[in-house]
Amino acid sequence: AQRVTQPEKLLSVFKGAPVELKCNYSYSGSPELFWYVQYSRQRLQLLLRHISRESIKGFTADLNKGETSFHLKKPFAQEEDSAMYYCALRQGAQKLVFGQGTRLTINP
Amino acid sequence: NAGVTQTPKFQVLKTGQSMTLQCAQDMNHNSMYWYRQDPGMGLRLIYYSASEGTTDKGEVPNGYNVSRLNKREFSLRLESAAPSQTSVYFCASSGGGVGANVLTFGAGSRLTVL
Repeated sequence: AQRVTQPEKLLSVFKGAPVELKCNYSYSGSPELFWYVQYSRQRLQLLLRHISRESIKGFTADLNKGETSFHLKKPFAQEEDSAMYYCALRQGAQKLVFGQGTRLTINP
Repeated sequence: NAGVTQTPKFQVLKTGQSMTLQCAQDMNHNSMYWYRQDPGMGLRLIYYSASEGTTDKGEVPNGYNVSRLNKREFSLRLESAAPSQTSVYFCASSGGGVGANVLTFGAGSRLTVL
């Protein structure tokens, strides 16, 4: 079954420290993966997608097909990065399946 | 440009009552979705509509029905609410082309079933 796993429900790091949010997936075909973010009192929104190969707000994510992972990384965390992060996998032509989410807290 | 609009934002129901969550998008998107968000469970797809006139079940469709009224509107109905349906519900939409599978979400509807 196609599945997305985010092993950490909660992650707390200090400002300026590196941050890595883990995402593992199971998918038999060619995966298309996304990271969505929900800041406090804001709507859930796309952060980045692997096919874009871009850095958004200092975050990057590399698709590792060998390890079936799509971890989200940022070298220096900022307080405004505190949010709920969801990894998502395209399932079929029109559906996304989401992971359980990781709540990231950046401590000052 | 409103994007995706959901109503109501909050609702409290008693077990067995029915209600409909409304969703409308003004981006001319073909696909629309209903998700529920529960602590520790992430976002789970209830139903989706790939295009006007079609609807399909997601991961957790039991206890829900949907209607794709037209291209803009996609409603979610609870015929007989149960406490297990206490959740935050999100409507989303997506377009085609490079925007395919890039979801635009509504603000959410918090439902409590007593």
